Amino acid sequence: DGGITQSPKYLFRKEGQNVTLSCEQNLNHDAMYWYRQDPGQGLRLIYYSQIVNDFQKGDIAEGYSVSREKKESFPLTVTSAQKNPTAFYLCATRIDRVVDNYGYTFGSGTRLTVV
Amino acid sequence: AQKITQTQPGMFVQEKEAVTLDCTYDTSDQSYGLFWYKQPSSGEMIFLIYQGSYDEQNATEGRYSLNFQKARKSANLVISASQLGDSAMYFCAMRGPGYSSASKIIFGSGTRLSIRP
Repeated sequence: DGGITQSPKYLFRKEGQNVTLSCEQNLNHDAMYWYRQDPGQGLRLIYYSQIVNDFQKGDIAEGYSVSREKKESFPLTVTSAQKNPTAFYLCATRIDRVVDNYGYTFGSGTRLTVV
Repeated sequence: AQKITQTQPGMFVQEKEAVTLDCTYDTSDQSYGLFWYKQPSSGEMIFLIYQGSYDEQNATEGRYSLNFQKARKSANLVISASQLGDSAMYFCAMRGPGYSSASKIIFGSGTRLSIRP
């Protein structure tokens, strides 16, 4: 079955450490996105990538970095510069051609906690 | 700038009753799309229903329907005959103009729906 795999499901980070969240998809979708969700709030866009080796900042990119070396993979690194990284992180994909609604397909998320 | 507003932080509904979740949006674009997603406690976002700005009829998907009032810029989700499994967070979202992946999707702050047995 095609889908999006985010790992790990839960991640604990010490202050001052960088951590990398994995997002892998086998849907052959062109675009990939990273969103952050804080408790009781909506999703905010961190970074997105439309094609391999290209990515764009979203609304809250500070303290985060990404890479897109393969179509299937879009890892997110939460750096020590991110002052409040504790949140739920969702990866999403989208196909880049005319289809019904251009909606997202989401992964199951990674919950990051700073300890 | 585009904006999505969900004014109901939380709602309680009796099982088997219908429920309406409110969503208003703001955009100056003529072409856009509106979505509703469900997020259960597990965290995954589940696509429910979509309405294009040029669609003349309200979208329906099983027990879900979208009450689209373009002039009022509202896109309310109606769930008929609610079930206990409908208890979740619900997000309204909007896609900007165009059909490329550069057209980002923005989300409202969500409504937490709780179904009482």
